[in-house]
Amino acid sequence: NAGVTQTPKFQVLKTGQSMTLQCAQDMNHEYMSWYRQDPGMGLRLIHYSVGAGITDQGEVPNGYNVSRSTTEDFPLRLLSAAPSQTSVYFCASRTERGAPYNEQFFGPGTRLTVL
Amino acid sequence: KNEVEQSPQNLTAQEGEFITINCSYSVGISALHWLQQHPGGGIVSLFMLSSGKKKHGRLIATINIQEKHSSLHITASHPRDSAVYICAVVYGGATNKLIFGTGTLLAVQP
Repeated sequence: NAGVTQTPKFQVLKTGQSMTLQCAQDMNHEYMSWYRQDPGMGLRLIHYSVGAGITDQGEVPNGYNVSRSTTEDFPLRLLSAAPSQTSVYFCASRTERGAPYNEQFFGPGTRLTVL
Repeated sequence: KNEVEQSPQNLTAQEGEFITINCSYSVGISALHWLQQHPGGGIVSLFMLSSGKKKHGRLIATINIQEKHSSLHITASHPRDSAVYICAVVYGGATNKLIFGTGTLLAVQP
């Protein structure tokens, strides 16, 4: 199993540009989520999904969109990038069977810089 | 006040020392995770616990639900243990969201 994969690893954008961060998992996990990690702060939840076709907002959703058309993929879209979105982004997944005692699996992260 | 607080924020130890990292939380939880993040960024799960104690190799995690406190211990520390250790609590409810601490940066010197 590849686990949770993310692309790209690094990205530099100019203010106002849009882009999509890709996330995929091959473990048939129901729950997928996006976090951002900023210096001095814990990971913060952006959006999450409990299954294909179902998404919801997390703690810091503004400026981001998500969709979940398949169990495997959960892309994160930045609509109009802003310097405040400079961060490291992590995708994570877990099974919902046996929740809440489930291990979280994290992708390798995407380091995004917005100039 | 953060809902999940870790201490210390930074820790430098000599190889072989016994290390303790603490996590206190202020919300009702159903479980708690300890995670490890190495330089280069990848995050891996070390433990998930809801009561008592768990051990894996040189790592031991304990939790006291009544006192809202958990500890991560590393015995016989080694430079390869150098990493950021993150505590995350599972905040109950239908979606079982995670609330993360800010992490403890551990450096183990040879």
